[in-house]
Amino acid sequence: AQSVTQLGSHVSVSEGALVLLRCNYSSSVPPYLFWYVQYPNQGLQLLLKYTSAATLVKGINGFEAEFKKSETSFHLTKPSAHMSDAAEYFCAVSDPNTDKLIFGTGTRLQVFP
Amino acid sequence: DAMVIQNPRYQVTQFGKPVTLSCSQTLNHNVMYWYQQKSSQAPKLLFHYYDKDFNNEADTPDNFQSRRPNTSFCFLDIRSPGLGDAAMYLCATSRDDRGWYEQFFGPGTRLTVL
Repeated sequence: AQSVTQLGSHVSVSEGALVLLRCNYSSSVPPYLFWYVQYPNQGLQLLLKYTSAATLVKGINGFEAEFKKSETSFHLTKPSAHMSDAAEYFCAVSDPNTDKLIFGTGTRLQVFP
Repeated sequence: DAMVIQNPRYQVTQFGKPVTLSCSQTLNHNVMYWYQQKSSQAPKLLFHYYDKDFNNEADTPDNFQSRRPNTSFCFLDIRSPGLGDAAMYLCATSRDDRGWYEQFFGPGTRLTVL
């Protein structure tokens, strides 16, 4: 079965610092991978997705993620955090057998001034 | 702007009193999903429609039902809400249900059960 592990349920950074949110997946075949962001009391918004094209994927709001097959990772990064980046971030993999999204447990990002 | 709309944003109901949550979309997508998200947890898929074809998740309680009268609208009915059903309910749409298609989420309805 497919699964997603997000290391660190909470990450805190200072404004202007590098953001690194970790995601590891398990998949027996090349996966489709997604990062979603959820602001308080809002739905999920797609940040970016990997669908077997370029391994470095650029998304909205200055975020990007790199697919590393050897490490089964799809970590999310942003060079310089902004206060408005404070939110919950979910990594998800599409199960190749069912096509359903399997979400990680989420990482809450706090940004301090 | 094309979007996914959920009404109401906040719903309070009493234990055992049926409640209906609404979702509409202007994206003209074929697929509509309902997720349940409890506090500090990942969204959990309840069921989805591909056009009029209903697909229930094996572990979705019978207490949860859904209707899709047309392409634009989808409803979530909770027949007898329990305290454990208090959660955020998210509606999402997708052009297709194959894995590489992204899902577009509505803002959610937060359900409180008293």
